[in-house]
Amino acid sequence: QKEVEQDPGPLSVPEGAIVSLNCTYSNSAFQYFMWYRQYSRKGPELLMYTYSSGNKEDGRFTAQVDKSSKYISLFIRDSQPSDSATYLCAMSAHGNFNKFYFGSGTKLNVKP
Amino acid sequence: NAGVTQTPKFRVLKTGQSMTLLCAQDMNHEYMYWYRQDPGMGLRLIHYSVGEGTTAKGEVPDGYNVSRLKKQNFLLGLESAAPSQTSVYFCASASPTAETQYFGPGTRLLVL
Repeated sequence: QKEVEQDPGPLSVPEGAIVSLNCTYSNSAFQYFMWYRQYSRKGPELLMYTYSSGNKEDGRFTAQVDKSSKYISLFIRDSQPSDSATYLCAMSAHGNFNKFYFGSGTKLNVKP
Repeated sequence: NAGVTQTPKFRVLKTGQSMTLLCAQDMNHEYMYWYRQDPGMGLRLIHYSVGEGTTAKGEVPDGYNVSRLKKQNFLLGLESAAPSQTSVYFCASASPTAETQYFGPGTRLLVL
């Protein structure tokens, strides 16, 4: 079983839709949770970062962590064609900084 | 502030040839990483470094060597390239508290 599971998609939505992207994980030691956005033929760029449980909001993006269910989510409100990209979740355990575990990425396509 | 830069952007090698990929960061980060990204496989850690002069193996180190002679630079070497090493290579660096990583733009390597 992989440490981090992520549905590869692709996920296709109309412009303006609310998008929900999710990852599940198996290691209860994970404390740091990240979402990266990767445009085609580019490197991943950090989108959101949260520590432990709870929600974090940044503009149209909301990251949610549910440690009891080992489940993290990224919500995108009012999705735009420019949001079309692959979204990678990543996580790490406190004190084990050589290990960042990545999901395989979900490809999102927002249609105009 | 350029962040993380990688050279070259693209390279074609013949089987058995050698090459070195260069990663540079200007954020004074202690930790640096080399990943490879293949379709459906996500990001896999090749080698990493927690400080100048130190390196360690990641998940898929075979066929690669690294060096961290200067804090800002992390070099990835392929001594004898194989077609299985055709991939996109990403370098990343981590903040002093290593809570998240910042990625370079990637190097596309094709081994014929």
